[in-house]
Amino acid sequence: NAGVTQTPKFRVLKTGQSMTLLCAQDMNHEYMYWYRQDPGMGLRLIHYSVGEGTTAKGEVPDGYNVSRLKKQNFLLGLESAAPSQTSVYFCASSYSGDEQFFGPGTRLTVL
Amino acid sequence: GQSLEQPSEVTAVEGAIVQINCTYQTSGFYGLSWYQQHDGGAPTFLSYNALDGLEETGRFSSFLSRSDSYGYLLLQELQMKDSASYFCAALSLSGNTPLVFGKGTRLSVIA
Repeated sequence: NAGVTQTPKFRVLKTGQSMTLLCAQDMNHEYMYWYRQDPGMGLRLIHYSVGEGTTAKGEVPDGYNVSRLKKQNFLLGLESAAPSQTSVYFCASSYSGDEQFFGPGTRLTVL
Repeated sequence: GQSLEQPSEVTAVEGAIVQINCTYQTSGFYGLSWYQQHDGGAPTFLSYNALDGLEETGRFSSFLSRSDSYGYLLLQELQMKDSASYFCAALSLSGNTPLVFGKGTRLSVIA
């Protein structure tokens, strides 16, 4: 089992560009999450999903969109990247919400 | 709002015991989780408390007191590899953030 995988691992964007981060899990989890982590900060929830076809906003959703067309995949889109979106992005999945399994992260720099 | 408070840094000696405290203010509180994160790595799940009391998993134990809105992580027989950041996270059944993370405690284990 691969667990939770994320692509890409690193990305550099210019302001205004768009991109999609892909998260995949092979544990048949219903719950999936996208977080961002900035230096000295904990993880902040961007969007989450409680099942295929569902999405919900988290704490910091502005500037991001998500889709969960298949149970195993959760996509995070940046429509028009801004320097404030420079961060490390983590995807996670969970069976019931209490124990979350994290992917390795995507390090995004927006110039 | 929802918030968790934990010390930013703790230093302890190899072989000793260290306790990392966490106080929370969360509506719809359901339980408290703990995660470990090494530099450059992804968070990994350590423990979860839904009920008051102590949960033990090897060298790590976690405690919860709902009446005091307080929990702690206890690490025994510290090893150098335990040097990492530790996050408490409150599971909530209300609001738009099902899991709220503290800002983390950086543990340094010294010889």
